[in-house]
Formats: sequence, structure tokens, C-alpha cells
Amino acid sequence: SQQGEEDPQALSIQEGENATMNCSYKTSINNLQWYRQNSGRGLVHLILIRSNEREKHSGRLRVTLDTSKKSSSLLITASRAADTASYFCATGFSGNTPLVFGKGTRLSVIA
Amino acid sequence: DTEVTQTPKHLVMGMTNKKSLKCEQHMGHRAMYWYKQKAKKPPELMFVYSYEKLSINESVPSRFSPECPNSSLLNLHLHALQPEDSALYLCASSPRDRIGSYEQYFGPGTRLTVT
Repeated sequence: SQQGEEDPQALSIQEGENATMNCSYKTSINNLQWYRQNSGRGLVHLILIRSNEREKHSGRLRVTLDTSKKSSSLLITASRAADTASYFCATGFSGNTPLVFGKGTRLSVIA
Repeated sequence: DTEVTQTPKHLVMGMTNKKSLKCEQHMGHRAMYWYKQKAKKPPELMFVYSYEKLSINESVPSRFSPECPNSSLLNLHLHALQPEDSALYLCASSPRDRIGSYEQYFGPGTRLTVT
């Protein structure tokens, strides 16, 4: 399967702590994307990192990509209760191949 | 306007009903998608429209019928659904037709319950 696999499946932390979640995939990719989903809502795009990039930042988010290990990580610094959500990685390919979503990490940030 | 809108937010329908889900975007995006999502699972792709033409159908049962009337609108017609079709239905769009190369913008979803 081309599907990405997030690790851990669930993560519970205290407000103010950092949260790290990982994504591994099996085939060569064009890009890797991270999405957030609050309970029962639509997905929100967070960051897209291309295969020739190694690190990207957006506010409190930091994403790394290691194509040699076929893995990516999402770091959320100084977490807030509002960061409580499910986080999905999605692998993107060249041409007309759709994104493939991983199973997601459920993050709970306790105030 | 960076918003994808979906109506209705909630829908309850019987197995003999016919209903439609609607999706709209005004970002000039050329690719639009329907996904189905069950609780605690990732979204599953159903259909992709590229430049208003159906480009991908992920072997979806014929009781789901997509339609793209114009570049801003996407419909999903529902008929003779089964209880296992109950799920969150998400619409999304992306800027270009190289659908794996760009971020997707999702609507809030329609929560469908089939009784």
C-alpha cells in the first residue's frame, strides 16, 4: 500500500508542551502534506513540503522530510487546548495520482 | 475567498429516498473531489473532477452519482443508499489538475445518516 502511517495513533500532552507526530510511507513521492481535522469537521491544510525540501516552518509548526528514510515529522511547539484534533499526513505524487492519506494521529492537549 | 461550502450540514434519509449534496468554491480551482469519511478513519476518495470532467471514480457504487454543473459547483446525488453509507461526506478542491501536487481545500462536510 502507498498509504502513509502515522505514529503514534494517539497522543495526550499538557498545554505548553511540544507534540511530535511522525509519518512513514513506502514509495517515492512528489510532496508530503499535513492536515488537521477538528472533531466532525473538514480537514484544514497545514503545510506542504516537496521532495527536494528538508524542513519547513509555519508559525508553531515545523515539518521535516527525510526521503532516504521515507519519513516526515510534524512538531507543534507550545501546544494549546485548541490544537486538540486529528492530524493526517498525505503523500502526493506526480501526474494525476490522488493524494493518499495516512490513518492519522489523535492529539489531545489538556489545559 | 478561500472557502469551500457544503450543504446541507446534516442529512437523514431513508433507504428509498433521493437526495443531493452540494459543494461550491469560488477560488477558481480546477479540480474538485468527493471523499467519504467514517469515524476515526482517514478520508476515502470517491470521485475527482478535473476541468469539470470526471477523471477518477474509485469504484464507487452507482447509488452515488456525481455531477459537476460548472467549474464552481459539485453535486453528489444519492439514491437507494444503505445504512453502511452513513458517514461524513467531504468536498475538496485544489488549484490545478495535477491533483497530487497541490494542497486541497476542504469544506466542513455533510453528516449523512441513512435509516
